[in-house]
Amino acid sequence: EDQVTQSPEALRLQEGESSSLNCSYTVSGLRGLFWYRQDPGKGPEFLFTLYSAGEEKEKERLKATLTKKESFLHITAPKPEDSATYLCAVQAITGGGNKLTFGTGTQLKVEL
Amino acid sequence: NAGVTQTPKFQVLKTGQSMTLQCAQDMNHEYMSWYRQDPGMGLRLIHYSVGAGITDQGEVPNGYNVSRSTTEDFPLRLLSAAPSQTSVYFCASGQRRGYEQYFGPGTRLTVT
Repeated sequence: EDQVTQSPEALRLQEGESSSLNCSYTVSGLRGLFWYRQDPGKGPEFLFTLYSAGEEKEKERLKATLTKKESFLHITAPKPEDSATYLCAVQAITGGGNKLTFGTGTQLKVEL
Repeated sequence: NAGVTQTPKFQVLKTGQSMTLQCAQDMNHEYMSWYRQDPGMGLRLIHYSVGAGITDQGEVPNGYNVSRSTTEDFPLRLLSAAPSQTSVYFCASGQRRGYEQYFGPGTRLTVT
């Protein structure tokens, strides 16, 4: 059974204080690992897809990396507008449809 | 493009009532899915479709029906609402397996 575990559950940072969010996964053959951002009362917003170990993707202050067992979302010099819940999901090679298995997320709060 | 739209945004039902949650996308995506999001559990797949006329069950399908008569629309029907179906429901669409999915804004459902 595919599993995704995210840590920490919650993270409080000062503006400009860089940190990393962790996503550990087990999957029977990885087709893709996805990062989403979710603001309160909204749907998940797509950030990145990673397909193979060693791959990295960047967008503004965010950088996602992937190993064979985990992914990290690095946040460099965060701003208050980066406050949100960050969700990690995996898709297996096997199985039907476009199923994503999600973690429970890391709730990030960036303070002035 | 409007992307993925969902109606209604909020709904309160009494136990035993039925209703349909609407989902539409204007991106000509073949894959569409329904997820529910509950505190501490992450998003879980209810039903999915890989094209018009083709649907299949996800992880938590009991108590829900779907159909896909057009590429654009993918309604979710609750046959006889139960308090355990109180949740936030998200519809998602994607171009193909392994690619990113785009989520709608969600429907918050309360069953009393």
